[in-house]
Amino acid sequence: DAGVTQSPTHLIKTRGQQVTLRCSPKSGHDTVSWYQQALGQGPQFIFQYYEEEERQRGNFPDRFSGHQFPNYSSELNVNALLLGDSALYLCASSRSDRRDTGELFFGEGSRLTVL
Amino acid sequence: AQSVTQLGSHVSVSEGALVLLRCNYSSSVPPYLFWYVQYPNQGLQLLLKYTTGATLVKGINGFEAEFKKSETSFHLTKPSAHMSDAAEYFCAVSGPGGYQKVTFGTGTKLQVIP
Repeated sequence: DAGVTQSPTHLIKTRGQQVTLRCSPKSGHDTVSWYQQALGQGPQFIFQYYEEEERQRGNFPDRFSGHQFPNYSSELNVNALLLGDSALYLCASSRSDRRDTGELFFGEGSRLTVL
Repeated sequence: AQSVTQLGSHVSVSEGALVLLRCNYSSSVPPYLFWYVQYPNQGLQLLLKYTTGATLVKGINGFEAEFKKSETSFHLTKPSAHMSDAAEYFCAVSGPGGYQKVTFGTGTKLQVIP
């Protein structure tokens, strides 16, 4: 049973560029959440996708956008990159079932460096 | 709004000693509480969770935590530290239900001294 997979694992961009990160959720999961983890910090919630729509959003600017596909996979897009966007981007999947306990299953992350 | 506060960004213990990592939460609704562990260059892995019912919850690798509503705390403990426990630990909170946003603390890095 494949867990959460993310790609790419590492990438380097320059200021002003755009980046797309990809995530495939754990089998059986229909909800994908994205988190940003800056060095030495805890994960910060960016947004959550369910049924191909953004269901919740954290305190991130519109430069951060996403998409969820019919197969539940997801993309995170960041436009006009800033140096401060350098971080580990984590994808987490879960089931939107009221009986579920809210446990998140994380991928290993995509480490973005902005120069 | 929900939040968690982890006291101590770094904790050092000797191998075989008690591990105690502190977490206090704030929530306007009955919380779900979690502890996750992160090893270097990896994602987060669930150690244990509290949803409802028994307030003392046991997790993987010998860890346990107790939900104390009166103290708004959810401290993580392990009786005897092992070298393999060295990692970063995150406390997290969400509202009830499987679709709620999960909010993480800033983390505590555990060092185990041989």
